[in-house]
Amino acid sequence: GAVVSQHPSWVICKSGTSVKIECRSLDFQATTMFWYRQFPKQSLMLMATSNEGSKATYEQGVEKDKFLINHASLTLSTLTVTSAHPEDSSFYICSAPWAGWEFFGPGTRLTVL
Amino acid sequence: GENVEQHPSTLSVQEGDSAVIKCTYSDSASNYFPWYKQELGKRPQLIIDIRSNVGEKKDQRIAVTLNKTAKHFSLHITETQPEDSAVYFCAASVYNNNDMRFGAGTRLTVKP
Repeated sequence: GAVVSQHPSWVICKSGTSVKIECRSLDFQATTMFWYRQFPKQSLMLMATSNEGSKATYEQGVEKDKFLINHASLTLSTLTVTSAHPEDSSFYICSAPWAGWEFFGPGTRLTVL
Repeated sequence: GENVEQHPSTLSVQEGDSAVIKCTYSDSASNYFPWYKQELGKRPQLIIDIRSNVGEKKDQRIAVTLNKTAKHFSLHITETQPEDSAVYFCAASVYNNNDMRFGAGTRLTVKP
């Protein structure tokens, strides 16, 4: 089956710094990838759809300038949390569709001090 | 960290039969267990979840059971219908914590 990886699996950073999270499709090409975030007491929330070679599509309420998404190749999408603050601490997970199904990455736990 | 295993990876049943998908987790601190359904070509959807203060939860034809001692939880679908065909993912996390681990998924096929 298709495999999606994320890097790093966890990261701790200082407030005000930027953090980049990578999402890779290892054995298939993905023109689209999805970024999710888990909020406390809630299930996963779709943040944005990453489109290879074009701008990402953000869900309502998600700040584009805060969460920069770049889908530079058919196997890599990156999410950069800019000027991170403690409220950005969360679990971020990406996914990529293949053959009509969606495959999840293992997730990245971000802690902003 | 948490490790979630899900079985079986594929499951085929006749329409009207029941389907059971099982997951185990490793972190005894986990207390929130959601289940997602992903239909072909569609986005994953949360279908049911359970917290560790209850042992069972039902929603029409879907039920989830939790055994904290054994660290396993299961999804039960009764009177299956072809539209139940999908990939089902289990997950485990600590409620109000920003971490979640998914199972590898189970592809359920319901034959008419």
